[in-house]
Parts: sequence; structure tokens; C-alpha cells
Amino acid sequence: AQSVTQLDSQVPVFEEAPVELRCNYSSSVSVYLFWYVQYPNQGLQLLLKYLSGSTLVKGINGFEAEFNKSQTSFHLRKPSVHISDTAEYFCAVSDRHNTDKLIFGTGTRLQVFP
Amino acid sequence: AAGVIQSPRHLIKEKRETATLKCYPIPRHDTVYWYQQGPGQDPQFLISFYEKMQSDKGSIPDRFSAQQFSDYHSELNMSSLELGDSALYFCASSLAGIDTQYFGPGTRLTVL
Repeated sequence: AQSVTQLDSQVPVFEEAPVELRCNYSSSVSVYLFWYVQYPNQGLQLLLKYLSGSTLVKGINGFEAEFNKSQTSFHLRKPSVHISDTAEYFCAVSDRHNTDKLIFGTGTRLQVFP
Repeated sequence: AAGVIQSPRHLIKEKRETATLKCYPIPRHDTVYWYQQGPGQDPQFLISFYEKMQSDKGSIPDRFSAQQFSDYHSELNMSSLELGDSALYFCASSLAGIDTQYFGPGTRLTVL
């Protein structure tokens, strides 16, 4: 079974500052890793994913994440945030051999202040 | 590009009533997933279908059932609704062999 831990429930940051949203996972099997963003009253939008290959993954809206197998982490970063990045961010994993079920973390609320 | 369509977007029901949620996947996607997101919680996997057959099952109550039709759309049927069923219900779709799920906007169900 897999589990995902997002250590920060809320991350306040000023506009144009860098941000890192932390995600750690636990799994006995190889996994795929995802970050989704949920804007208020909207659905989940895929930001980026790690399936294989380069451990540094670039996504939409200037976000990137780095897969660290030894630390079982998949932290999300952005060098300079905008007000419009204010949203809920979910890290998720799926079993490489059974990709039906996405297991989500509890989410991190990114609040960007002017 | 076409996205996942869910209807209705909002639904209000009384306790013990029945609700049906519909999901239309992205064209050519053959796999559909249902998730439930309670207030302030992360999405929880309910059930999935591939080529009209149930492929995996999560924490779906026995009061709920779902199916996928020949045109690949799916319906989630919820009976004997309880207050705790109030949540955002997401449908996602994917193409078999492609490991990314694309989510719809969700149906917000409120049970009074």
C-alpha cells in the first residue's frame, strides 16, 4: 500500500518569493508521482508528473519537482510565485503496476500575499 | 482540448433520497475513475472502470453503485443518501496504458 504525507497544511508566502511544497511518500512498490492543483471551487488540474527518467520534472505555470528516491520525496518548487498561484496543491502516487488508484496527500494550501 | 464533463455541477438532495452523477470522459479515453472529496479533505478513490468492466474498487459504500456504458460515459448511483455523503465528487479519465488521470470539474452534492 502507498501513502503520501504533505508536511505543511498551509504555506503563506509573498508574491515573487520562492516556494517549496513538501511531499513524502511511502510505498513497497515502484510508484508514479503527481502534483495536482485545485483552484477554489474547481477541479483538479495536473501540474506535473514523474513516471521515469530525469528526476527533475518541469510542469505548467513555472512549477518543477524533483524525485528523490533515497528520501522518498517529491517536493514541488517555484522560484517566483504570483498571486494567481494561490490554491490547494495535492501530491499523489500510484502503483506502477496498478495505476487505477491515485492516493492523495492531505493537500497544502498555498496563500500568496501581495 | 476537450475535457472531462460532469453533470450536474451542483445537486441538492434530502436524506434517504437517491442521486445519479454522470461523467463523460475525454474522447477516446476508455478508463473512468470516481473520487469523493469531503470538505477540507483529500480526494478518496471510490471505483474505476475499464472498457465497461469494473477494474478497481476503493472505499465505496454499498449504497453506491456505478457503471460504464458502451459510449464510455459513467454514472455513479447513490441511494439512501446520508448527511455524510455531502462532498465534491470527481470523475477522471485516462487512456489505458497512459498513466495520467485527467479530472473533471466535479459535482458538488449537498445532502440536507
